[in-house]
Amino acid sequence: AQSVTQLDSQVPVFEEAPVELRCNYSSSVSVYLFWYVQYPNQGLQLLLKYLSGSTLVESINGFEAEFNKSQTSFHLRKPSVHISDTAEYFCAVSGVTTDSWGKLQFGSGTQVVVTP
Amino acid sequence: NAGVTQTPKFQVLKTGQSMTLQCAQDMNHEYMSWYRQDPGMGLRLIHYSVGAGITDQGEVPNGYNVSRSTTEDFPLRLLSAAPSQTSVYFCASRPDPSTEAFFGQGTRLTVV
Repeated sequence: AQSVTQLDSQVPVFEEAPVELRCNYSSSVSVYLFWYVQYPNQGLQLLLKYLSGSTLVESINGFEAEFNKSQTSFHLRKPSVHISDTAEYFCAVSGVTTDSWGKLQFGSGTQVVVTP
Repeated sequence: NAGVTQTPKFQVLKTGQSMTLQCAQDMNHEYMSWYRQDPGMGLRLIHYSVGAGITDQGEVPNGYNVSRSTTEDFPLRLLSAAPSQTSVYFCASRPDPSTEAFFGQGTRLTVV
């Protein structure tokens, strides 16, 4: 069984300030980890993913996430946010073993509101 | 290449009615899933499929049926609609576990 917990339902942040969105997971098998973003009235888009190798992964628009196996976490960070980063962010986990391949499970989401 | 196509985009049902939400993908992806999105609860997995003829339950399967007779199509059936099924439904597909999921645009369902 696997599950994902996003600890913050909403994060208000000022423009150009840093932001961190927390994600913890539990799983009995090795996992792949993802962050998705959903802009208002749109579908979900992949932000970044961790499969293996370097524990720090980056997206093209300045976000980064670090996989911490001992703490079972995959927190998302951005050093300086823009108004356009206002969106809902979802952490997701997928098992790597054959009996868990089909399940891609999401956390409850974190709403980021960036104000000037 | 249309990606993942969901129909309809909007639907209003009366309690007790049944209906089918359609999902089709043209990317030859083996894995397909249905989610519902409710405020504060994120996306919850309803059913998923790892290939034609193979389906399994997710976190919230009650009240929903699925089938996967072809690789392309993965319809979701509401057997007897209830107000608790008012939600936005997303279909997603992906080729393998390590790749991103591609989402449809969603179906906003209201049950009155």
